[in-house]
Amino acid sequence: QQQVKQSPQSLIVQKGGISIINCAYENTAFDYFPWYQQFPGKGPALLIAIRPDVSEKKEGRFTISFNKSAKQFSLHIMDSQPGDSATYFCAASYISGRRALTFGSGTRLQVQP
Amino acid sequence: GAGVSQSPRYKVAKRGQDVALRCDPISGHVSLFWYQQALGQGPEFLTYFQNEAQLDKSGLPSDRFFAERPEGSVSTLKIQRTQQEDSAVYLCASSKSTGQDTQYFGPGTRLTVL
Repeated sequence: QQQVKQSPQSLIVQKGGISIINCAYENTAFDYFPWYQQFPGKGPALLIAIRPDVSEKKEGRFTISFNKSAKQFSLHIMDSQPGDSATYFCAASYISGRRALTFGSGTRLQVQP
Repeated sequence: GAGVSQSPRYKVAKRGQDVALRCDPISGHVSLFWYQQALGQGPEFLTYFQNEAQLDKSGLPSDRFFAERPEGSVSTLKIQRTQQEDSAVYLCASSKSTGQDTQYFGPGTRLTVL
């Protein structure tokens, strides 16, 4: 059972454009939602994370939007740059209790110069 | 301030062989995780240690998989009698505390079973 569904599978954006990646989750007990960035040959690295008590969190060019009632959250990358080209994973977990991250299937982002 | 390191980076095994994958977490990190990442997929949780105690092994796919962290630092993931479906990247992550905290991932070990 796929608990976190991510879309699109791949995304091509022009430099300076906005990249949007969406995730939906099924388990309403999840209360911690991080996004990870992974470059080829590297492990994932935390980009930004949100908890469901807020609807939006912004860090630099990266913003998470969270819709608790719809059980959806999304990553927006403003002013996308070629250096942002990577695979992005959403994930879900619990603030307390089980520590394991449940990941989405990933979105391969390509930012064209 | 070295990050999480893993060795070997690449491992080729013949079907039926045993393999051992090593993880060196960030010094002082209490929590350690193992994940399996199939090609083109997101990482999937295997097991979790808090210091030397294995608190969650619910993600281990079979009894051929075994993990240990005997002194609460370095961890080893062992796979016995490897099968082709074990081919994947095995990622180790560590975090500073026992609460929900940033997990820092190593570069992974790519295991190919022929």
